[in-house]
Amino acid sequence: EVQLVQSGGGLVQPGGSLRLSCSASGFTFTNYAMHWVRQAPGKGLEWVSIISGDGVTTYYADSVKGRITFSRDNSKNTVFLQMTSLRVEDTAVYYCVKDLAGFGAFDIWGQGTMVSVSS
Amino acid sequence: EIVLTQSPGTLSLSPGERATLSCRASQSVTSTYLAWYQQKVGQAPRLVIYGASSRATGIPDRFSGSGSGTDFTLTISRLEPEDFAVYYCQQYGSSPRYSFGQGTKLEIK
Repeated sequence: EVQLVQSGGGLVQPGGSLRLSCSASGFTFTNYAMHWVRQAPGKGLEWVSIISGDGVTTYYADSVKGRITFSRDNSKNTVFLQMTSLRVEDTAVYYCVKDLAGFGAFDIWGQGTMVSVSS
Repeated sequence: EIVLTQSPGTLSLSPGERATLSCRASQSVTSTYLAWYQQKVGQAPRLVIYGASSRATGIPDRFSGSGSGTDFTLTISRLEPEDFAVYYCQQYGSSPRYSFGQGTKLEIK
């Protein structure tokens, strides 16, 4: 079964840091780019970042650029999202998502993890 | 940046009826890169349609997608109780850039 299982998240003060993890199974991990998509409470979906299958290339949404680092460990089938200088507006459920190659779509989603930024 | 606008914001229908959801883009979108997602309360989104008209794995054939250029449509031919949810369209563009519509809530009338 293709699956993404997320961990991390929680409550952090503004300016703080947090690291999210996402463990993949059921597919050839290195063959696929991975994404993070977030959803603020009661709001819509916002794409955050993508990392290539080999981990060499990353892109970020303007709203998080310079504050977030997306990485992966292909030996452990795991991706990581390191978040720093967190702001109140970063409060959201963060989803780890598998890329549907060739279509620019997201075909497998993790269960989501809540990040709350508040003093 | 391409902006996707979905209409209506809320659609109230009864089981068995036909649902038509619209997604309009501010610039032309390559059909290959247009997708639709279903999200139920408290759950992660699920891919329904990709490439504007291809059903994702496990999606019943009452779901269909169509459109090109700036206008795309998701149609549910005969609504089942489990279809009531929020639906988002999404596009991929160069740079890369990914954007979502604001969503259409499909509710039971």
